[in-house]
Amino acid sequence: NAGVMQNPRHLVRRRGQEARLRCSPMKGHSHVYWYRQLPEEGLKFMVYLQKENIIDESGMPKERFSAEFPKEGPSILRIQQVVRGDSAAYFCASSPQGRTNEKLFFGSGTQLSVL
Amino acid sequence: GENVEQHPSTLSVQEGDSAVIKCTYSDSASNYFPWYKQELGKRPQLIIDIRSNVGEKKDQRIAVTLNKTAKHFSLHITETQPEDSAVYFCAATNTRGQGNLIFGKGTKLSVKP
Repeated sequence: NAGVMQNPRHLVRRRGQEARLRCSPMKGHSHVYWYRQLPEEGLKFMVYLQKENIIDESGMPKERFSAEFPKEGPSILRIQQVVRGDSAAYFCASSPQGRTNEKLFFGSGTQLSVL
Repeated sequence: GENVEQHPSTLSVQEGDSAVIKCTYSDSASNYFPWYKQELGKRPQLIIDIRSNVGEKKDQRIAVTLNKTAKHFSLHITETQPEDSAVYFCAATNTRGQGNLIFGKGTKLSVKP
């Protein structure tokens, strides 16, 4: 079991470009959560997805940010027209059934740097 | 919105001493409280968790206690070792948010040899 896989590990973008972050959950997991971590800060919830459905996007900015988890392939977090304030580590986590008392397993994260 | 407060933000102990990190939460319906350890540049790793139907759980040198009345839970590390140095995050379920976790801001633990 390879665990939660995220790529790329590091992503550098110039202001105004698009960033695409990918996450493949653990085998057998169909629930994916995206979190953002700023330096010296905790993890902030962004969005929770199940296959082909967004369950909760209350933590994701309304503009420029979108997420999907298609029937086939990884979950994608997309940031359009990036700004310097988007620089952060973005972590994906997965769980088997999305129950409130289930363990979450995290990927290694994508460090996004906006120049 | 719901919130998790974590203290202290930094903690320095001598090798062999105990370390205690405390968290309080606001969502009275939270029923799951995990603790994660994050080393520099690495993923958060689950080290121990507790569900609301128990008051204490222990795994070797690590223990967690939960006081649901006070909405308070703590991580206890005994006989600390230099490899315990990391940032530790507590979390609680956000029952209003479809079950996602709300994290504390973290405690940077330094264990001096």
